[in-house]
Amino acid sequence: DVKVTQSSRYLVKRTGEKVFLECVQDMDHENMFWYRQDPGLGLRLIYFSYDVKMKEKGDIPEGYSVSREKKERFSLILESASTNQTSMYLCASSPGWGGLIQYFGAGTRLSVL
Amino acid sequence: KNEVEQSPQNLTAQEGEFITINCSYSVGISALHWLQQHPGGGIVSLFMLSSGKKKHGRLIATINIQEKHSSLHITASHPRDSAVYICAVRGGTASKLTFGTGTRLQVTL
Repeated sequence: DVKVTQSSRYLVKRTGEKVFLECVQDMDHENMFWYRQDPGLGLRLIYFSYDVKMKEKGDIPEGYSVSREKKERFSLILESASTNQTSMYLCASSPGWGGLIQYFGAGTRLSVL
Repeated sequence: KNEVEQSPQNLTAQEGEFITINCSYSVGISALHWLQQHPGGGIVSLFMLSSGKKKHGRLIATINIQEKHSSLHITASHPRDSAVYICAVRGGTASKLTFGTGTRLQVTL
């Protein structure tokens, strides 16, 4: 079975802190994605990566950056956390170009106080 | 207007009922996905389809490309089907999905 693991289920940070959310997949997938999920808005794409060191902005990249130094790991970085970044963050991966089925991690619920 | 619209937003059913969740989209797509999210956050992919109909156990997904509409049906619903069901479409950029806001289903005994 494909496994997508997010480093934390719950995280509480203070405004202005630098926050790292880590995601690791064990199926050698080329594509990896970071989403945030907010009530009434559904999942929105923050960034995605289709290869090591490659990244593309999604629909809401402002305030975020990403890093993909190894194929299995995709990190989301909040340079200076703000309260409006309180949300559920979901990582996903999929094989090859063309997307196909995306496999999701369990999510990280981040609260910024 | 969202590119992907789901209805209803919330649905309560009694065990055994036949359930239909609808998804309409306004863009050209190459595929449509149905996903299930249980309380606690984990998301599981149920179906990916680009035409016709797919069936898996008590779940059936259909799509009408001309009408830009898909339905997810659950036969003989059970309380363990309680979850949020999400429709997502894959359009021009091959790897990106656009998501609906989800339908929250509660199945009671």
